[in-house]
Amino acid sequence: GAVVSQHPSRVICKSGTSVKIECRSLDFQATTMFWYRQFPKQSLMLMATSNEGSKATYEQGVEKDKFLINHASLTLSTLTVTSAHPEDSSFYICSARDRNRGGIQYFGAGTRLSVL
Amino acid sequence: QQQVKQSPQSLIVQKGGISIINCAYENTAFDYFPWYQQFPGKGPALLIAIRPDVSEKKEGRFTISFNKSAKQFSLHIMDSQPGDSATYFCAASTKGQGGKLIFGQGTELSVKP
Repeated sequence: GAVVSQHPSRVICKSGTSVKIECRSLDFQATTMFWYRQFPKQSLMLMATSNEGSKATYEQGVEKDKFLINHASLTLSTLTVTSAHPEDSSFYICSARDRNRGGIQYFGAGTRLSVL
Repeated sequence: QQQVKQSPQSLIVQKGGISIINCAYENTAFDYFPWYQQFPGKGPALLIAIRPDVSEKKEGRFTISFNKSAKQFSLHIMDSQPGDSATYFCAASTKGQGGKLIFGQGTELSVKP
């Protein structure tokens, strides 16, 4: 099946610093990627839809200035958590849509962010 | 309207038994209903999916039953194994398999040996 690589898998940072998470589609081109946030024992919450070459579309309540999304190529989208605070600690997961397989979404392995 | 309600929240099944997880929705515009399996610390993996023009789909030990009139769908795991222990999420989309996914709350399945 299609592979989506997400990096890093785990990051610990100090409060006030920025953290960048990468999401790559390894064997297909993804014009659309999605970013989710998941708290322990909870469901996935869609944060934003990332479209190649255009601005991301953010879900209601998600601060676009805090969670910067860049989709500069057909295989890479990045999520930058700016000025991270302890409340931003969470599990962040990306997915990429493979239009050659009917648009099925494949998920990355997730990034565990811990802000001290 | 956009919610997908999933039950039960947790489920314990003996090895070899049948695991059944249910989901209900309100939005009749949903046209794609996938199930995902997630292990701790990992991203979700697509298990099986169904469209509303089909009442049942089976892949190996996994079966989706879909009731359009009741706006409900369920996942059945036959001959459940300890390796099936994971969290299962149902989801729904209004634009086919490429659209935004609305996830259910998740079911933590534990299969006892």
